[in-house]
Amino acid sequence: AQSVTQLDSHVSVSEGTPVLLRCNYSSSYSPSLFWYVQHPNKGLQLLLKYTSAATLVKGINGFEAEFKKSETSFHLTKPSAHMSDAAEYFCVVSDEAAGNKLTFGGGTRVLVKP
Amino acid sequence: DAGVIQSPRHEVTEMGQEVTLRCKPISGHNSLFWYRQTMMRGLELLIYFNNNVPIDDSGMPEDRFSAKMPNASFSTLKIQPSEPRDSAVYFCASSLYVRGKAEAFFGQGTRLTVV
Repeated sequence: AQSVTQLDSHVSVSEGTPVLLRCNYSSSYSPSLFWYVQHPNKGLQLLLKYTSAATLVKGINGFEAEFKKSETSFHLTKPSAHMSDAAEYFCVVSDEAAGNKLTFGGGTRVLVKP
Repeated sequence: DAGVIQSPRHEVTEMGQEVTLRCKPISGHNSLFWYRQTMMRGLELLIYFNNNVPIDDSGMPEDRFSAKMPNASFSTLKIQPSEPRDSAVYFCASSLYVRGKAEAFFGQGTRLTVV
């Protein structure tokens, strides 16, 4: 069975400093992995995805994530936080064994301080 | 494409009333998902369809909830009778599923308040 653990429920960073959101997954098969962002009172927007191509994936708004199979991790990073990055971020896994069912992590809420 | 379209955006209803939420997926997508989001429980998958067929409804909380997808361009989620604990934001999402490698696109959600 597939599962996702986001290691931090809240992250606080200062504007201009790096952001790191941690995600570990469990999957029986070659997984697809995604990061979604949800701004307050909005829907979920895809930031980036990994689907067995390059292990370093670049997404929108300067975010990137690296797939590390040996560590079963898919951490999300951004070199310099912006005030507009304040939102909730979800790590998501999907694999063939689960059909196309998406399994969401619990979410990480990011606070950006000026 | 206009993306996944949900209606209504907001719904306030009295306990015991029937509520119907609607979703129009992205044209050409073959999978549709219904999620519920609350502060206490986060995002929960209620049900999903592949090619209009329900695949997994294990997340549907109880018999008061039902979902249909009569064709590839429309789905409904019905709650009858509604209860205050059903208050949440309900999201619909669609994807083009190809062997486990497809991202889902989400609608803006329906905020349901049951009083």
